[in-house]
Amino acid sequence: GAGVSQTPSNKVTEKGKYVELRCDPISGHTALYWYRQSLGQGPEFLIYFQGTGAADDSGLPNDRFFAVRPEGSVSTLKIQRTERGDSAVYLCASSLTTGTGAGYEQYFGPGTRLTVT
Amino acid sequence: AQSVAQPEDQVNVAEGNPLTVKCTYSVSGNPYLFWYVQYPNRGLQFLLKYITGDNLVKGSYGFEAEFNKSQTSFHLKKPSALVSDSALYFCAVRETGGSYIPTFGRGTSLIVHP
Repeated sequence: GAGVSQTPSNKVTEKGKYVELRCDPISGHTALYWYRQSLGQGPEFLIYFQGTGAADDSGLPNDRFFAVRPEGSVSTLKIQRTERGDSAVYLCASSLTTGTGAGYEQYFGPGTRLTVT
Repeated sequence: AQSVAQPEDQVNVAEGNPLTVKCTYSVSGNPYLFWYVQYPNRGLQFLLKYITGDNLVKGSYGFEAEFNKSQTSFHLKKPSALVSDSALYFCAVRETGGSYIPTFGRGTSLIVHP
């Protein structure tokens, strides 16, 4: 079946511009995560959705970052006034419902490589 | 708080030899433990997990991992390495009954030489 897809695969933008990154999770997965990965590092948590709501957005670095998941499926990560330090690979992952008692693994998309010039 | 450490940035092994990629963790209670593999320009791919039960967990592509509670470790192993196993490997931990956000290690680059 289809896995997690992310678009675009690459995005080059100028400093100060606005970007949107899209994630289409596996059908039926209620949990969706956004991560940021820099070279030589593991995924850094940004935000987690359970259904339509952001259950935990504690990883968003500042108020320039925002994410939505209006229908509980596709999610969009939005970055305003981009800075060169935002350059990274942005990963999306989905899983079956997650709760404190559930040990479901995550399924990752291929990522969007964002370059801010 | 939960954390995970992968003490080796890189592991080199000859094809056909056994491989081990190390992972240690810290949680307040009991852990869920995961291994993921990342090939160049790809997302992370799930390999195996420990939830409960048997300490030896078998996963995809012949990999296995052993949960050791006393040593708080979850090392990834394979009896005979293949060149195609060369990739980045990430260990992750999530505390049962605690945070639903897993914490990932920095990753270990596995290089299998022909």
